[in-house]
Amino acid sequence: NAGVTQTPKFQVLKTGQSMTLQCAQDMNHNSMYWYRQDPGMGLRLIYYSASEGTTDKGEVPNGYNVSRLNKREFSLRLESAAPSQTSVYFCASRGAGGNNEKLFFGSGTQLSVL
Amino acid sequence: GESVGLHLPTLSVQEGDNSIINCAYSNSASDYFIWYKQESGKGPQFIIDIRSNMDKRQGQRVTVLLNKTVKHLSLQIAATQPGDSAVYFCAERRSGYSTLTFGKGTMLLVSP
Repeated sequence: NAGVTQTPKFQVLKTGQSMTLQCAQDMNHNSMYWYRQDPGMGLRLIYYSASEGTTDKGEVPNGYNVSRLNKREFSLRLESAAPSQTSVYFCASRGAGGNNEKLFFGSGTQLSVL
Repeated sequence: GESVGLHLPTLSVQEGDNSIINCAYSNSASDYFIWYKQESGKGPQFIIDIRSNMDKRQGQRVTVLLNKTVKHLSLQIAATQPGDSAVYFCAERRSGYSTLTFGKGTMLLVSP
């Protein structure tokens, strides 16, 4: 039981390049989330998927797209990377129901855009 | 407690002391609160949570206190250990929403 798995762990891009961050969870969770973490800024929500087949914008969605490929997988795409997207990206998931509130996080992807 | 800006507030304690990390939340409609611990280079890890119908909840060596009157949340760690050194985040969830809003974090440094 691996929990939430993110790939890659590290990535360096040039401005304008595109890439997709992958996330998969094996806990049969309904909801999945993408956050970015910048120094002194805490975690800010980019996009989330409350259930398979749905996605919604979070606090900072500009410059990103997401795909909920199936119940397990939720990917984050940068179509044209910008230096402002240099950050650590975390994927998280949450189970369904009133007693399943807490998010389980992956170990993160450190992205640098030059 | 939480703050704005690039530098995290830092709490420095000696091993064996009790630690108290504070968090002010913004939304009176929030009904669920949670604390996470994040060690360097790792993802946030769940510590303890509390619903708004409670004032206090205890876990192993940790206690969360909720004061809804002043919108304040605190995390108490008993007998702090060097392994407790990390950044601690509080988060809130507004009633009816499925997303968490995180604070900016507090760094806890524990000296042996």
